[in-house]
Amino acid sequence: AQSVTQLDSHVSVSEGTPVLLRCNYSSSYSPSLFWYVQHPNKGLQLLLKYTSAATLVKGINGFEAEFKKSETSFHLTKPSAHMSDAAEYFCVVSGGYGGSQGNLIFGKGTKLSVKP
Amino acid sequence: NAGVTQTPKFQVLKTGQSMTLQCAQDMNHEYMSWYRQDPGMGLRLIHYSVGAGITDQGEVPNGYNVSRSTTEDFPLRLLSAAPSQTSVYFCASSYPDRYEQYFGPGTRLTVT
Repeated sequence: AQSVTQLDSHVSVSEGTPVLLRCNYSSSYSPSLFWYVQHPNKGLQLLLKYTSAATLVKGINGFEAEFKKSETSFHLTKPSAHMSDAAEYFCVVSGGYGGSQGNLIFGKGTKLSVKP
Repeated sequence: NAGVTQTPKFQVLKTGQSMTLQCAQDMNHEYMSWYRQDPGMGLRLIHYSVGAGITDQGEVPNGYNVSRSTTEDFPLRLLSAAPSQTSVYFCASSYPDRYEQYFGPGTRLTVT
């Protein structure tokens, strides 16, 4: 069965410092993994995706994530936080109920706060 | 290009009332789905459809019905609303060979 665990419910950083949001996954086969971002009272936007190509995935707004099979991790990073990065971030794995690859399983989310 | 649209944006219902949340997409996506978002729970899959005429249940289907008569539309019906259905509902769509989903803006539903 597929699952994801986001290790921190809340992360706080200062503007200009690095961001690390941690995600571990469990999958019975090679997974497709995603990070989505949700700004307050907004919908969800895809940040980046891993679908068995390069293990280091670059996304929008300077974010990137590295797929590490040996550690079953897919952590999200950004070298320098910006105030506009304050949002909730979801780690997601595909292949949930019914086996359809479109069925996504979401982590519980990590709220990122950015201090001036 | 409107993408995925949802109506209404906000809705308040009394316990026992019924209503339909509308979802439409103009990208000719075969796959569509409904999720609910509750604080601290992430998003959970309610129902999904891999094409017109085909629907199936997700993680939390109880209390909800769906149908898919066209590729474009995927309405979600609450037959008898309960306070436990207070949530934000998101519709999503994608091509069948692509795993990333395009999400609508959401419907915030309150059941009193």
